[in-house]
Amino acid sequence: NAGVTQTPKFQVLKTGQSMTLQCAQDMNHEYMSWYRQDPGMGLRLIHYSVGAGITDQGEVPNGYNVSRSTTEDFPLRLLSAAPSQTSVYFCASRPSPSSGRRGTQYFGPGTRLTVL
Amino acid sequence: GDSVTQMEGPVTLSEEAFLTINCTYTATGYPSLFWYVQYPGEGLQLLLKATKADDKGSNKGFEATYRKETTSFHLEKGSVQVSDSAVYFCALTAEKLVFGQGTRLTINP
Repeated sequence: NAGVTQTPKFQVLKTGQSMTLQCAQDMNHEYMSWYRQDPGMGLRLIHYSVGAGITDQGEVPNGYNVSRSTTEDFPLRLLSAAPSQTSVYFCASRPSPSSGRRGTQYFGPGTRLTVL
Repeated sequence: GDSVTQMEGPVTLSEEAFLTINCTYTATGYPSLFWYVQYPGEGLQLLLKATKADDKGSNKGFEATYRKETTSFHLEKGSVQVSDSAVYFCALTAEKLVFGQGTRLTINP
């Protein structure tokens, strides 16, 4: 059981470059989320999805796009990278509350992104 | 909106000391409460959870009790080990999972 997988593990970008962080889960979870982790800031929610075709903004959505065309995948796109986006990014998934497994969230291993 | 406030770190203890990391929350309704742990270089792992008032979550010697009257979910361990050194996050869930800012714990031999 792979759980939540993320690629790449490390990435260095130049300002203005674009890239996509990949996230996939094999647990048939309805909910998926992207967080960024910065020193002293805890985890902040970027975007989340409650099911295929449905996405919504979190706390810090600017500069990021997401889509959810399948239940399994939830890619995060940086359209024009900025140094302020240097961070560690975590993808997470959990079942919907209606499934009876309320709230337990599973995290991917993270992607460390540096924008020069 | 929903929020979680946890004890400022870093916290440094000696091995076998008693640990408390405070966590209080603000939420509408009846959220579930969680403690996650992040070991160096790794992602977050669920440590324990409680889904209703007076529930006690426990795992690996850690415990936390869902106290609705004080809106708290403090993490405790009676005797910490060097291997417990990590960052600990308190969290709650309604529709979204809301995290505290994390508390870095270092245990010295």
